[in-house]
Amino acid sequence: DTGVSQDPRHKITKRGQNVTFRCDPISEHNRLYWYRQTLGQGPEFLTYFQNEAQLEKSRLLSDRFSAERPKGSFSTLEIQRTEQGDSAMYLCASSLRDRGRVKGNEQFFGPGTRLTVL
Amino acid sequence: AQSVTQPDIHITVSEGASLELRCNYSYGATPYLFWYVQSPGQGLQLLLKYFSGDTLVQGIKGFEAEFKRSQSSFNLRKPSVHWSDAAEYFCAVGAVKAAGNKLTFGGGTRVLVKP
Repeated sequence: DTGVSQDPRHKITKRGQNVTFRCDPISEHNRLYWYRQTLGQGPEFLTYFQNEAQLEKSRLLSDRFSAERPKGSFSTLEIQRTEQGDSAMYLCASSLRDRGRVKGNEQFFGPGTRLTVL
Repeated sequence: AQSVTQPDIHITVSEGASLELRCNYSYGATPYLFWYVQSPGQGLQLLLKYFSGDTLVQGIKGFEAEFKRSQSSFNLRKPSVHWSDAAEYFCAVGAVKAAGNKLTFGGGTRVLVKP
């Protein structure tokens, strides 16, 4: 399967614990995005990487959140000191930034990691 | 700032009937527009996209959408709904020239299909 994969698919944790999620993008894609989706809402942008550089972060991303993409391939999203309000689906997407052609920012999404904070 | 409004939270349609989902966007320049579908517990699947050119775009699963600049709309249609079309549908706008081209999504429309 050459799609975007995310691990774990589900995570249940207690308030105050740290959690880390992993995203593996489509192999040739140089852009990687994180979104958060709460129940009954559309996804909201959190941050994105071009290769290993984190180029934009939403104000939704508090200082408890950190994301990395150390080698420009997979990415991790860590939440420290989780709160009940962090319960959501965390979606990863990837796309190919190609200066030679208009790719139209077609983002391919993974299945998501559902986080439940008790 | 860009924004997307999907006025209908829920729509119930009979199998075989036509479906239209509304989407209105706000963006100061030429947008990229997308429709995604999400089945329960799943990620998002792209149905179709509009960049430029023909304002009527065809997508997968028999869906089409029409871009109307004067109305800032990008409504999704399907002539005959199948039971497998029951899902949540999201309209999204992406900036053409902004760095990163992050997507801004609407709140979604949940489609229920009656037998």
